[in-house]
Amino acid sequence: GQQLNQSPQSMFIQEGEDVSMNCTSSSIFNTWLWYKQDPGEGPVLLIALYKAGELTSNGRLTAQFGITRKDSFLNISASIPSDVGIYFCAGQSGATNAGKSTFGDGTTLTVKP
Amino acid sequence: GAGVSQSPSNKVTEKGKDVELRCDPISGHTALYWYRQSLGQGLEFLIYFQGNSAPDKSGLPSDRFSAERTGGSVSTLTIQRTQQEDSAVYLCASSTRGEGEAFFGQGTRLTVV
Repeated sequence: GQQLNQSPQSMFIQEGEDVSMNCTSSSIFNTWLWYKQDPGEGPVLLIALYKAGELTSNGRLTAQFGITRKDSFLNISASIPSDVGIYFCAGQSGATNAGKSTFGDGTTLTVKP
Repeated sequence: GAGVSQSPSNKVTEKGKDVELRCDPISGHTALYWYRQSLGQGLEFLIYFQGNSAPDKSGLPSDRFSAERTGGSVSTLTIQRTQQEDSAVYLCASSTRGEGEAFFGQGTRLTVV
C-alpha cells in the first residue's frame, strides 16, 4: 500500500527559529494536506495543496506540493511556543475513494522559550 | 454543534467485550471517515463513507471491526471481542466532499485491559 515517510521524527528548537519538515512517497498523490495535533485533540488542518508545484502560505506557515507529486514540505518561520505539537502530512490519491488519506507518522515539535 | 463530536471520550473495557464508538459529523458533511491512532504513530485509515455510496472498508483490520452510518449522519464503529492490541485513539472526521480537508473530532481513547 501507499506509505509516507515523514522527517524529521522530532525537532527541538529555540523560539524564533525557522522549522522545516517534509514528506516523501513512493506513490503519486493528487492532494497533500498538513495537519497539527495538540495533546488530547484531533488533528486540525493547516494547509491543503491541490496542484503540483503549488506553494501556499498561511501566516507563518508555508507548504509546497512537489513537482513530482511524490513529496511536500512544510516550513514554519519565527517559531513561537504555541507551535508545539505533532505535525502530520497526509496524501490523497484523488481516485475512486478520494477522501481516504494516507498519513505520515508525524513530526513532534518542541519549542524552547 | 459546530464541530465533529465523538463519544465516549474515554472507554476502558475488558478483553473479549464488545464496544461501540459514536461519531456525530458536522451537519451537512457528506463524507465521514474513521481512523485509528496508536501511541506515537500516525493515523491509520479504517473506513470511509461518502453519501449513499458503498463504504470503503479496506482499512478495517479484521472482521471484528464494523461501522454503520445511519441516515447519512451519525456513525457507529463497533469492535467485537476486543483485544489488547485494539487499544488506541479512534478518530472520526467529516468533510463536505470526498477530498481535501477533513475536520476531526477529539477522538475516543479505547483501553482494553
